[in-house]
Amino acid sequence: DSGVTQTPKHLITATGQRVTLRCSPRSGDLSVYWYQQSLDQGLQFLIQYYNGEERAKGNILERFSAQQFPDLHSELNLSSLELGDSALYFCASSPSGGSYEQYFGPGTRLTVT
Amino acid sequence: DAKTTQPPSMDCAEGRAANLPCNHSTISGNEYVYWYRQIHSQGPQYIIHGLKNNETNEMASLIITEDRKSSTLILPHATLRDTAVYYCIVRVALDSNYQLIWGAGTKLIIKP
Repeated sequence: DSGVTQTPKHLITATGQRVTLRCSPRSGDLSVYWYQQSLDQGLQFLIQYYNGEERAKGNILERFSAQQFPDLHSELNLSSLELGDSALYFCASSPSGGSYEQYFGPGTRLTVT
Repeated sequence: DAKTTQPPSMDCAEGRAANLPCNHSTISGNEYVYWYRQIHSQGPQYIIHGLKNNETNEMASLIITEDRKSSTLILPHATLRDTAVYYCIVRVALDSNYQLIWGAGTKLIIKP
């Protein structure tokens, strides 16, 4: 158990809909990262937050957005969903913005039908 | 794009050492090499990282060549639970920050 929690574990929704994925980092970790993993692919970095502020952006679509709240939990919002958005979405946390020993949550499996 | 090249799959006998190679010929002087593994579709697990010197922890050893163009992750006594996809990652500078750029990894199968 990494100490990072993600909800929900599974999510099934239709095209055009909007969903919110939630992540709680390990106690004391200030950085949160979001990744997307499509079937049998490596992880694609989406976005990083550090202590409430956006720190870095990767391959995140404009339809996707995220935020980190004062209690350090984070949410990833996915809108106008397409079939191709079906994937595993992982959240990871690390103690600081420059630490790359990241601790991953169990992921949210999103299926868009 | 990933800065690493790994074989897509490897087998190893249970109890033997598993040696996973990684090429990172374009690595820069201040870029670290990280190894993670992912068991089935679980969240990836950090294993080890290094810059120039060889590193060892309770999970594995990391051997980095002197020219830093390649490295090897060694699991000294592989067990069936070590079956996973192993990712070799170079930490790269991106927009005044650093990020891990993930490749496709090596699927390691430990056989009884």
